[in-house]
Parts: sequence; structure tokens; C-alpha cells
Amino acid sequence: QVQLQESGPGLVKPSQTLSLTCTVSGGSISSGGYYWSWIRQHPGKGLEWIGYINYSGSTYYNPSLKSRVTISVDTSKNQFSLKLNSVTAADTAVYYCARWIVTTSAFFDYWGQGTLVTVSS
Amino acid sequence: SSELTQDPAVSVALGQTVRITCQGDSLKSHYASWYQQKPGQAPVLVVYGKNNRPSGIPDRFSGSSSGNTASLTITGAQAEDEADYYCNSRDSSANLFGGGTKLTVL
Repeated sequence: QVQLQESGPGLVKPSQTLSLTCTVSGGSISSGGYYWSWIRQHPGKGLEWIGYINYSGSTYYNPSLKSRVTISVDTSKNQFSLKLNSVTAADTAVYYCARWIVTTSAFFDYWGQGTLVTVSS
Repeated sequence: SSELTQDPAVSVALGQTVRITCQGDSLKSHYASWYQQKPGQAPVLVVYGKNNRPSGIPDRFSGSSSGNTASLTITGAQAEDEADYYCNSRDSSANLFGGGTKLTVL
């Protein structure tokens, strides 16, 4: 059973960089056919895709966040990470990591529990 | 820009059938996937592809698609099905979520 777990600071100051890590267990992040993803949810709102990365480092980002986002992968640690720079209060959200699988269809099959990040001074 | 549109709220009587819909141009080319989210919890995949359910999802959940519209149907809704439901599809190299539908079971 694949499990994902987010970790990182729960409080970030405005203009600083939000950094989160997702640790994958029960499976290898180097397995092909998967994209390792970040998704966020503003309080009381819907889901917003941030971006994803595959094991070889190919990345795809939400155009609305692309200028501020970097997703990276560390296969030796079975982890992938999110950096979002120049944050504002509008970046306060629950951040989820998830595995996106692409076969004849595409879907997020495993999700982390989510971590709340608050942007405040 | 591309988007997926869902009705904000839907209600269903206990034991009845309800359909939740999702509209968007990306659905003409790609299957939708559907996620159930209960308060304070992470989303859970309930339907994907043409009409597939992950292990452990009751068979009262089913999916269908026609043109630019995907649907999630719950046949015989139970109290525990009350939740937010989100559709999702890929769109070129990006990924889209619908705004979510809050399902109330009466």
C-alpha cells in the first residue's frame, strides 16, 4: 500500500518561500508511469492543481502559479518537494501531495493527509 | 482558459439515485476522475476512466461520459455519501479540477 506524507513548516511569512516535502512509502518514486503531484485547497474552497514531476525530473505546472513554483524529486530519499516563492496570504491553504497515474485514463490514486500552511507575519 | 464546471450543491433523499455532472471541453478528449471529500479529510478516488472503481469503493458509485459532460451517479445514496465531490481531468499538459459539488443526503 502506497502512502504519502507531507512535511514542512505550518507558518510562513509573507514574501518568503513555502517549502514542503512529500515522503513516499510502500512504493518506489522511480517507478515509471507516475507523476508526483502537489494540490492545494484554500480554506472552504475547491481543489487546485499546482503541478507534478516524474521520476526523471520532467515537470508540469499550473500556468497561474508557474512563475513562483518549483517541484523537485529526490529518488534516493523517495521524496519530492514543493517550493513556492513570494508567498502572500492568498497562498494560505491545505497542501496535498498525491500520485497521478497515467494509463488509458489518468487519475490521482493515492493522497497524503494534507498539511495546512498559513502565510502570516 | 479551460475549466470544469460543476453544480455547487445537489441533494438526494436517502436510498434514491443522484447524478452529479461535470462539464468542460477537456472531457471531449479525456476521461474524468471523481473524488469524494469529507470534512477534514483528504480526497478519495471513487471513479476513474470509462467507469472504474478502486478497490473498496461501493458499486453504487458509477461514472459515465457523453461529449463534454462527465457524470458520477450514486444509486441508492447512503448517509455516509454526504460529502463534496470533485471531478478532474487532464488538459494538454495541465490538470483541471471542477469547483466541487456538495452532496446532501436528506
